[in-house]
Amino acid sequence: DAGVIQSPRHEVTEMGQEVTLRCKPISGHNSLFWYRQTMMRGLELLIYFNNNVPIDDSGMPEDRFSAKMPNASFSTLKIQPSEPRDSAVYFCASSFISREAFFGQGTRLTVV
Amino acid sequence: QQQVKQSPQSLIVQKGGISIINCAYENTAFDYFPWYQQFPGKGPALLIAIRPDVSEKKEGRFTISFNKSAKQFSLHIMDSQPGDSATYFCAVVPTGNAGNMLTFGRGTRLMVKP
Repeated sequence: DAGVIQSPRHEVTEMGQEVTLRCKPISGHNSLFWYRQTMMRGLELLIYFNNNVPIDDSGMPEDRFSAKMPNASFSTLKIQPSEPRDSAVYFCASSFISREAFFGQGTRLTVV
Repeated sequence: QQQVKQSPQSLIVQKGGISIINCAYENTAFDYFPWYQQFPGKGPALLIAIRPDVSEKKEGRFTISFNKSAKQFSLHIMDSQPGDSATYFCAVVPTGNAGNMLTFGRGTRLMVKP
């Protein structure tokens, strides 16, 4: 298996633009997580899905952030409009019964 | 509210020494305690994990010590090597959480000097 695949790896965008981050979880995994990593706040859970259904989105910072999981093999995290304080590394992770979460390589987002 | 407090923030150890990282959690409704290792430019990866029914788990040079009454657990890296230089995160998973939702500590940046 190729592991969790995230795209793009790097994204530079201007303030106010829409940004979409993509994630393909490991085949067969039924839980998917979006995390944000910054020096100031560490690894923060934004939202997690179980069986494609959003279970906990309390970590989503504000209405500018939205996430979808239309099927078991794809998820998106969208920021609209983007702001400089959204600059961070965004990780997608997936897991199954074993409780081990497998992380993707991350998307480094820079909003200028 | 920070549910997991990790210390130290950074650690420098000589090659061959013991690295110790500590975590404390704030409620008892957790039943899985993993440690993740992250190298620059990579996502975190599971290193070792423990469940609360045991007090210690060892895998090679890595050991988790768990103190349920004190709500603390620690990672010990024996015979530390330069290749162990990375950021380490402790985490907790709520009891019965079907989604295996991880809450992480703030991380410890370990540097092992040759």
